[in-house]
Amino acid sequence: DIVLTQTPLSSPVTLGQPASISCKSSQSLVHSDGNTYLSWLQQRPGQPPKLLLYKISNRFSGVPDRFSGSGAGTDFTLKISWVEAEDVGVYYCMQSSQFPRTFGQGTKVEIK
Amino acid sequence: EVQLVESGGGLVQPGGSLRLSCAASGFTFSVYSMNWVRQAPGKGLEWLAYISASGVTIYEADSVRGRFTISRDDAKNSLFLQMNSLRAEDTAVYYCARLRFMDVWGQGTTVTVSS
Repeated sequence: DIVLTQTPLSSPVTLGQPASISCKSSQSLVHSDGNTYLSWLQQRPGQPPKLLLYKISNRFSGVPDRFSGSGAGTDFTLKISWVEAEDVGVYYCMQSSQFPRTFGQGTKVEIK
Repeated sequence: EVQLVESGGGLVQPGGSLRLSCAASGFTFSVYSMNWVRQAPGKGLEWLAYISASGVTIYEADSVRGRFTISRDDAKNSLFLQMNSLRAEDTAVYYCARLRFMDVWGQGTTVTVSS
């Protein structure tokens, strides 16, 4: 199974400041079709997860452009250009290149 | 509005069974692959099962294979998860999610396995 390792696990940030989360995969996420199926999800407190980004860097409908994704192969990054109060929650990376689908452990973003 | 609504959760004794449902609306359910994902209290996300749009291709996590079965009824726009031989460690919120990207999630239904 593919293991996704997120760092940090907790990220206290000041409003208006940037935040960055790393997701490292135990093996390449490049699918045989040439795509890399690495997604980022946000889970606000008490809510179900929501898709933010798919295929590394594609923002899902309605996602603010302060969220961006980058990376390739086994190393990926989610960046929030400036953190707003509504961004508080847990962020997960997820791979859907192989079965079983796997998630990172989650990174808790909170306001300092 | 695109929507998924789970139901069927509840309190069940160890060894018991439950059938979860996920009702889809606002999109053509029959052309979308679907997943079940769960989240134990205070823990992260765990993928459980996938079913293709046609229903022909099914994958299940090792942790539930042989105990849980995913299925779909396109005529009823519904996804199901039959859960047998339930254990305390199956206690979680169970979500259905659409597509390999999991672009749409339901609100979840809570399953508690306890005597």
